[in-house]
Amino acid sequence: DGGITQSPKYLFRKEGQNVTLSCEQNLNHDAMYWYRQDPGQGLRLIYYSQIVNDFQKGDIAEGYSVSREKKESFPLTVTSAQKNPTAFYLCASSIRGQGRNTEAFFGQGTRLTVV
Amino acid sequence: RKEVEQDPGPFNVPEGATVAFNCTYSNSASQSFFWYRQDCRKEPKLLMSVYSSGNEDGRFTAQLNRASQYISLLIRDSKLSDSATYLCVEARGKLIFGQGTTLQVKP
Repeated sequence: DGGITQSPKYLFRKEGQNVTLSCEQNLNHDAMYWYRQDPGQGLRLIYYSQIVNDFQKGDIAEGYSVSREKKESFPLTVTSAQKNPTAFYLCASSIRGQGRNTEAFFGQGTRLTVV
Repeated sequence: RKEVEQDPGPFNVPEGATVAFNCTYSNSASQSFFWYRQDCRKEPKLLMSVYSSGNEDGRFTAQLNRASQYISLLIRDSKLSDSATYLCVEARGKLIFGQGTTLQVKP
């Protein structure tokens, strides 16, 4: 059963702690993305990766870090430098080819709350 | 100017109505566009791709106007279950989302 899996679904973090959100896909997609969504707002791009061992900053990368050591995995670390980390985090993946990306598929998201 | 812009709404329409959303994009070289639907507190799900020739899927029709740099989504015979936020997406190396347009279909 192919798909994209995020874990955990809910996460609570104390201020000042780093936390890593997991994103795994078995769709054999080249490209993977991390978005942040705040209540009533659209999706803002944090980081994206078009290929293994390569990734680019999105619009709001400060306070976040990623790695892409395997094609199927794209974990996101929310560091203590992120001033307002409470949000809904969405991971997505898509096929990449010929300079364009096909439609993306999303995981179910992780709701991070800083307490 | 945002790369992808949508009217956030909300659009409040009665059941059975026809409603249309537009989305403008700034990069004239962009080639791939999509409409996603997002229900409250859920992940976005692909509604339909947008092709230059237009694309129809049941009650939904998507159009691309390259000259004016906008895409549109038309929903005919609105159902209560169509109530959601509709996200316009431009895909060019990365996926760029609009803010979303909220639709509320009333009985």
